[in-house]
Amino acid sequence: DAKTTQPPSMDCAEGRAANLPCNHSTISGNEYVYWYRQIHSQGPQYIIHGLKNNETNEMASLIITEDRKSSTLILPHATLRDTAVYYCIVRVFTGGGKLIFGQGTELSVKP
Amino acid sequence: NAGVTQTPKFQVLKTGQSMTLQCAQDMNHEYMSWYRQDPGMGLRLIHYSVGAGITDQGEVPNGYNVSRSTTEDFPLRLLSAAPSQTSVYFCASSTANGGAFFGQGTRLTVV
Repeated sequence: DAKTTQPPSMDCAEGRAANLPCNHSTISGNEYVYWYRQIHSQGPQYIIHGLKNNETNEMASLIITEDRKSSTLILPHATLRDTAVYYCIVRVFTGGGKLIFGQGTELSVKP
Repeated sequence: NAGVTQTPKFQVLKTGQSMTLQCAQDMNHEYMSWYRQDPGMGLRLIHYSVGAGITDQGEVPNGYNVSRSTTEDFPLRLLSAAPSQTSVYFCASSTANGGAFFGQGTRLTVV
């Protein structure tokens, strides 16, 4: 599975969009980008995943560059409850439970 | 639908003792996996399973055993607990290509 690089921390003002970047320059053609977050010490929560097209669900949007070497997770209107560590993970689509976590980005949403 | 259930939530062991961490899911997911998370770090994959009767090692398998006799259950056994195994343990389940659902974790202290 490809490695990912994320900034260790970011701040965001409440109500503003939070844009979390992820670099995955060695991604292979059959690998998808998955995003998870972990609030405090709870179990991680799945957010979204995609291959090459932009994806949107009720939680977030995922923008993947055309060359697929980087992506951005967008929380359109961040709230204090979005304060968490966000993990970008790349894996083959049928990789099932084999998730290799990096260090993630600690997002702090401030009033 | 309970999702992924881990028991116990907290456990203190003495060095050399053995124990089994329980994980059960009611979503009929093929894939299950175990992770550990040490303070201030990301999650590391211990073992995973792609279906009943099939298991494989992850990044940090030493000192742990698993088996998967049913789709629903994926217990993690510590054979002889060591202080280095003090950690928070998370179990997850997923379909082959969907996002993973995590349990709330077992906080283990080995003294």
